[in-house]
Amino acid sequence: QVQLQESGPGLVKPSQTLSLTCTVSGGSISGGDYYWSWIRQPPGKGLECIGYIYYSGSTYYNPSLKSRLTISVDTSKNQFSLKLSSVTAADTAVYYCSRLTVAKDVFDIWGPGAVVTVSS
Amino acid sequence: QTVVTQEPSFSVSPGGTVTLTCGLSSGSVSSTNNPSWYQQTPGQAPRTLIYSTNTRSSGVPDRFSGSILGNKAALTITGAQADDESDYYCVLYMGSGSYVFGTGTKVTVL
Repeated sequence: QVQLQESGPGLVKPSQTLSLTCTVSGGSISGGDYYWSWIRQPPGKGLECIGYIYYSGSTYYNPSLKSRLTISVDTSKNQFSLKLSSVTAADTAVYYCSRLTVAKDVFDIWGPGAVVTVSS
Repeated sequence: QTVVTQEPSFSVSPGGTVTLTCGLSSGSVSSTNNPSWYQQTPGQAPRTLIYSTNTRSSGVPDRFSGSILGNKAALTITGAQADDESDYYCVLYMGSGSYVFGTGTKVTVL
């Protein structure tokens, strides 16, 4: 079955760029009705959809983050990535990657999450 | 900015029934929002429970059910068990590619 795993630095300095990668195993990132998404959860708070990407490269970005956000896909490695620039303490969160089945509007597979702290 | 509202908390007795709701700060929820529901325990990733308003995800017990009640989406737990004690989040599709998570409900079973 399809599994997702986030990876990347757990500590990022303020004003720098947060970078995470999600590796998809047990299935191909290409094709199908699946988009590949990033969702975050600040400590003690709720979930927020950051954005998502189709294997072809088409993207949706949360308008509140759009100016700082880049989501990309590498089909040869079966991975997709998140870059969030000019981070502040407010970007400290658990970052989840998730498969979005658009035909059913459901985030149906989740990675375990990656804790990212923004601190000097 | 659309806000998807949920009750902050609910308490239910073991074996009891509880209905959580998911509404909009402005407007009504309908099946076209394709509500989905997720369960999250501390330190864990969310688990998908319900999608397309009332379809249970694979492996989800039938004590969980989804519906539209009035102008809100609803998740009902019938015959609550101790391990149902979790945070529950809804998601609504708002059009133009936008998916918005609800504020979350903490359910206590005691």
